[in-house]
Amino acid sequence: GAGVSQSPSNKVTEKGKDVELRCDPISGHTALYWYRQSLGQGLEFLIYFQGNSAPDKSGLPSDRFSAERTGGSVSTLTIQRTQQEDSAVYLCASSLSGVALAKNIQYFGAGTRLSVL
Amino acid sequence: SQQGEEDPQALSIQEGENATMNCSYKTSINNLQWYRQNSGRGLVHLILIRSNEREKHSGRLRVTLDTSKKSSSLLITASRAADTASYFCATETGGYQKVTFGTGTKLQVIP
Repeated sequence: GAGVSQSPSNKVTEKGKDVELRCDPISGHTALYWYRQSLGQGLEFLIYFQGNSAPDKSGLPSDRFSAERTGGSVSTLTIQRTQQEDSAVYLCASSLSGVALAKNIQYFGAGTRLSVL
Repeated sequence: SQQGEEDPQALSIQEGENATMNCSYKTSINNLQWYRQNSGRGLVHLILIRSNEREKHSGRLRVTLDTSKKSSSLLITASRAADTASYFCATETGGYQKVTFGTGTKLQVIP
């Protein structure tokens, strides 16, 4: 597609349920990032993928959070046993890798707004 | 902890005035970027400045970088109501593409 696509755009769930968020990056972008943004706050880094591997998972807040990327394209972020403090906007971004001038410019999706009741 | 801290946290100006936002960071960087976020949307890349550059322009945007002070500034000249948004600096450090975002400056331009 033309841009980074995230789905769903909004998700309301009950405390304790599992949720799965999806990110479809720009075609050809090998780097993919997940961030979390609480209301009115900055971006909290969660995880970074280069291809299918995740060299940096340091931002995942707990073992309830996991992410995978298959085929070097689509990524899913899974939150198990959701808690109210998980409520936030989850943003995905992708970037080219190895192209000097464009390297590290991140292209963001519109985000998934997660509300845990 | 945040690598980048923007200042001020919020800024309100009249249309036509200039807006200046500052970003300070803690460790050596490869490059620094500025992004804009409209309410309820994803971030949009504005400009990238490399660690060996001191100033860069793009339209009404002017970015400076002072690596000795570990700081950067974003100047928006002749502001417009449409410039109302949050602005974030982001720094790239290390050997792989990890970019760390600051806390953001919320800019309001009053028509």
